[in-house]
Amino acid sequence: SQTIHQWPATLVQPVGSPLSLECTVEGTSNPNLYWYRQAAGRGLQLLFYSVGIGQISSEVPQNLSASRPQDRQFILSSKKLLLSDSGFYLCAWRPSGGRTDTQYFGPGTRLTVL
Amino acid sequence: GQSLEQPSEVTAVEGAIVQINCTYQTSGFYGLSWYQQHDGGAPTFLSYNGLDGLEETGRFSSFLSRSDSYGYLLLQELQMKDSASYFCAVPDTGRRALTFGSGTRLQVQP
Repeated sequence: SQTIHQWPATLVQPVGSPLSLECTVEGTSNPNLYWYRQAAGRGLQLLFYSVGIGQISSEVPQNLSASRPQDRQFILSSKKLLLSDSGFYLCAWRPSGGRTDTQYFGPGTRLTVL
Repeated sequence: GQSLEQPSEVTAVEGAIVQINCTYQTSGFYGLSWYQQHDGGAPTFLSYNGLDGLEETGRFSSFLSRSDSYGYLLLQELQMKDSASYFCAVPDTGRRALTFGSGTRLQVQP
């Protein structure tokens, strides 16, 4: 069966510090991968998605970047965090040939920028 | 682009039936899906409607009317564990990613 992992689970970082969040998927090959951000009590904002290694599509201009160095690894990064980067970061995947509407989410990383 | 509207909050009592509505505006339509998210947890897929009509999965049902750009999620025999946020979502025009509504917070009271 497929599983998705995210770490760390929680993170508290000062403004201006770098960020690296990692997401890995097990039990599948060539998944479509997604990064979402959710502010407290709000909906999910799509940040990046990837259909393959090295292929990243950005949905929202910001100080975040994403990379996919391996087939089942998706990394979200920032060189300098802003207060507005605080939120709940969710990674999701779906099979490359599967329906777009069915995505499977990881447990998330709760980021607080102080 | 895609946009969805849903009520921000709904309250109901245990054992009751509740309906959560979603209206959408899309450039092309490829179906409406619903996700559930408990506080602090990850969203989980509930249901999908690609065609008009009702889809039933246990206590949960989802309805779609493409002519009205409208759908709803129906939760029957409400239980306390159904207290959560519910999101409707549609694929983008490239059918590669999902656009989510802002979510409806359901509070089930005893």
